[in-house]
This record gives sequence, structure tokens and C-alpha cells, in this order.
Amino acid sequence: AQRVTQPEKLLSVFKGAPVELKCNYSYSGSPELFWYVQYSRQRLQLLLRHISRESIKGFTADLNKGETSFHLKKPFAQEEDSAMYYCALTFGNKLVFGAGTILRVKS
Amino acid sequence: GAGVSQTPSNKVTEKGKYVELRCDPISGHTALYWYRQSLGQGPEFLIYFQGTGAADDSGLPNDRFFAVRPEGSVSTLKIQRTERGDSAVYLCASRSLGTSGRYEDTQYFGPGTRLTVL
Repeated sequence: AQRVTQPEKLLSVFKGAPVELKCNYSYSGSPELFWYVQYSRQRLQLLLRHISRESIKGFTADLNKGETSFHLKKPFAQEEDSAMYYCALTFGNKLVFGAGTILRVKS
Repeated sequence: GAGVSQTPSNKVTEKGKYVELRCDPISGHTALYWYRQSLGQGPEFLIYFQGTGAADDSGLPNDRFFAVRPEGSVSTLKIQRTERGDSAVYLCASRSLGTSGRYEDTQYFGPGTRLTVL
């Protein structure tokens, strides 16, 4: 079955520290993976997708098929990065989401 | 332009009642999705429309849930005989058909409707 696992419910780091939000998936085909973010009082929005190999707001994520992982990384966290982050994969035409990780960046 | 909108933003109802939740997708977006997000969980897929027809309704939990999109734009999610376990945030998303004839991979989400069943 298609599944996305985010093992950490909460990740708390100090401003300027590196961040890594973990995501593991199970999927039998070639996955399309995404990170979505929800800032306080805002709607869910796309942060980045693996297929475009882009860096958004300093965040990057590399698809590792051997480890079935798609961890989100940022070298230096900023306070405005505090939000809920969801990893998701496309199955058919729908998204399958993980449970999410709250990132808190402390000053 | 305007994003996906959902009404109402909050709905409180009593067990056993019928509710309708509305979604206005981004103009011109052919695909429309409904997801349900329970407390502490990520969004879970309910149903997907391509135009007016439900292309995939495999996520609807039971026959109390039904959704329509009669003109290929606005969609309504209908829940009959609500139960306390239906309490959740119901999210709508839409996406467009690109010029290549394939769907663009970004789904645009609405703000959600928070349903509380007492």
C-alpha cells in the first residue's frame, strides 16, 4: 500500500541551526514526491516537488529511492520557517500525505 | 486571481443531521479534490472530479458521504446522518490541465471547512 511516514510530530531547533524533516515512503512504482507547508492561519501550499529539483526558501529535498526517503533540509533555520510540514506522494491523481511535522524555530 | 474558496468556514451540527460543504475552485481548473483532515493527521483523500464526473471516489468512507459537481465548477460535499466521528477539517483543492494535456502537478488548497458534530 502507498504510505508516507513522518516519524517526528515536532522538531524544535534554534535559529541558525540546520533542519532536517524526515519523510519515508512506500510505493511500488516511481513516486512523485512533494513537500507541502502550512503556516499559522494560512492554507496548505506547495513548498517543493522532487521532480523539479529546486530550492525554495532555502529548503531542498532529495529523493533517495534506495532508502525510500525524501527528507527536507535547510542549512540555517529562520524563525519564519516555523510551520507544519507535510510530505506527500502522488498515487493515481490524488495525494497521499504523511501525518505532518511541526517545525518550531526558537530565537 | 482568487484562490480556492470554501464555505462555510465553520459548521457545527448535531449528530444525525445533514450537512453540505461547498467548494469554489480556481476558475478554469478542471480537476477538483476533497480531502478530510482529522486532528493530528495529514489530509486524507475522499473524492476527485475531472470535469463534472467523479473520476475516483475510493476515499469516501461510506454511503453517508456524497459529492457533486454538476457544472464542472463548484462542488458540494454532502454528509447524511452525521456522526461525531465525522468531525474534521474538510479541504478542497483544484488543479489545472496544462497546455500539454497533462495535469499540472500542483494542487491548490482552500482554507477548509471545520465541521464539528455534537
